Amino acid sequence: AQSVTQLGSHVSVSEGALVLLRCNYSSSVPPYLFWYVQYPNQGLQLLLKYTSAATLVKGINGFEAEFKKSETSFHLTKPSAHMSDAAEYFCAVSDGNAGNMLTFGGGTRLMVKP
Amino acid sequence: GAVVSQHPSRVICKSGTSVKIECRSLDFQATTMFWYRQFPKQSLMLMATSNEGSKATYEQGVEKDKFLINHASLTLSTLTVTSAHPEDSSFYICSARRGSPPYEQYFGPGTRLTVT
Repeated sequence: AQSVTQLGSHVSVSEGALVLLRCNYSSSVPPYLFWYVQYPNQGLQLLLKYTSAATLVKGINGFEAEFKKSETSFHLTKPSAHMSDAAEYFCAVSDGNAGNMLTFGGGTRLMVKP
Repeated sequence: GAVVSQHPSRVICKSGTSVKIECRSLDFQATTMFWYRQFPKQSLMLMATSNEGSKATYEQGVEKDKFLINHASLTLSTLTVTSAHPEDSSFYICSARRGSPPYEQYFGPGTRLTVT
């Protein structure tokens, strides 16, 4: 069984500030981990994924995430927020195969203040 | 590459009618497709997994007679919501898994269903 917990359903940052979205996972097998972004009334866009290679993963739009096995975490960061980053972000885990079913966290809504 | 489409993007139907939603992988063959449901301001919940040519596997609590899934070809899966009720109103998202490496999932843009 696997699960994902995203701490903070809403995060608000000022434009230009650091973005930190938290994700902790539980998995009985080595996990594959993903971050997706969703804009209103749209599907999911993959930001980045961890598939057991480098623990620091760089994604699109300046986002990156670090896999920390000891902390069972996969937090998403971006050094400087843009207004266009305002969206819903989902962390997800699959059981060791990038194509297997995904279990999603509850989501974090990122708000960016001018 | 790796584009997944859904049709329609929005649909409004009357209570008691049936609605069909299509999910297509446009430039790759998908041996497996997943159907998710998302209520407003909530996360995605997996409804079912469909494999080409076989019956779908439904998650616990999902009524298979109400949500009919067909995966008749390697590029098309359909979800039919039968005898729709207002509580079925939701955002339905499909994803398709490549049948060849890399075995990754790609998501469709979603279908907004409103039952009046």
